[in-house]
Amino acid sequence: RKEVEQDPGPFNVPEGATVAFNCTYSNSASQSFFWYRQDCRKEPKLLMSVYSSGNEDGRFTAQLNRASQYISLLIRDSKLSDSATYLCVVGAPYSSASKIIFGSGTRLSIRP
Amino acid sequence: DTEVTQTPKHLVMGMTNKKSLKCEQHMGHRAMYWYKQKAKKPPELMFVYSYEKLSINESVPSRFSPECPNSSLLNLHLHALQPEDSALYLCASSPKWEGASTDTQYFGPGTRLTVL
Repeated sequence: RKEVEQDPGPFNVPEGATVAFNCTYSNSASQSFFWYRQDCRKEPKLLMSVYSSGNEDGRFTAQLNRASQYISLLIRDSKLSDSATYLCVVGAPYSSASKIIFGSGTRLSIRP
Repeated sequence: DTEVTQTPKHLVMGMTNKKSLKCEQHMGHRAMYWYKQKAKKPPELMFVYSYEKLSINESVPSRFSPECPNSSLLNLHLHALQPEDSALYLCASSPKWEGASTDTQYFGPGTRLTVL
């Protein structure tokens, strides 16, 4: 089992739709969680950190479920500019073999 | 200034060449990272520097040699690379690295490396 798993997609949804991604992680002692977006041939950019209490930033909502070991990202009222690859990132404790683990990314394409 | 800069943007080198990638940040961050990203794959962590000291080496071959001359600069020296080392090399920085948790990372635009 991969340490961090994401549905690779692609998700192809119409503008204005709501779309949700999940990301599961295997190390229960993981401490920090993030969603990054990466546009084609560009560097990853932070979308939002993910906290146990959940957090919202405009149209984006991120949640962490420690019991089930997954994080989620919800995008409401999607825009054409939301088309990108969304990467979940998990920070594992120091004793782990890998300390910062990126999921394989979920490709999102918003159509007009 | 939330910018991480990397030079060069593109690099083509032969297997016998020696070259260096450079990364710079002026955000006062004390942790800096090198990642390697192949096409359609996520970034893979290579090295972590914390307070100018190497904290993590993810079993990277010795033909990649990192260097952190000061808190703002991070270099990656390349020697005797293989064609399979061709990839996008990303530098990132974060306020700190504590092992048990990870701060938000700010990525540079990357150096696209081709090894012939």
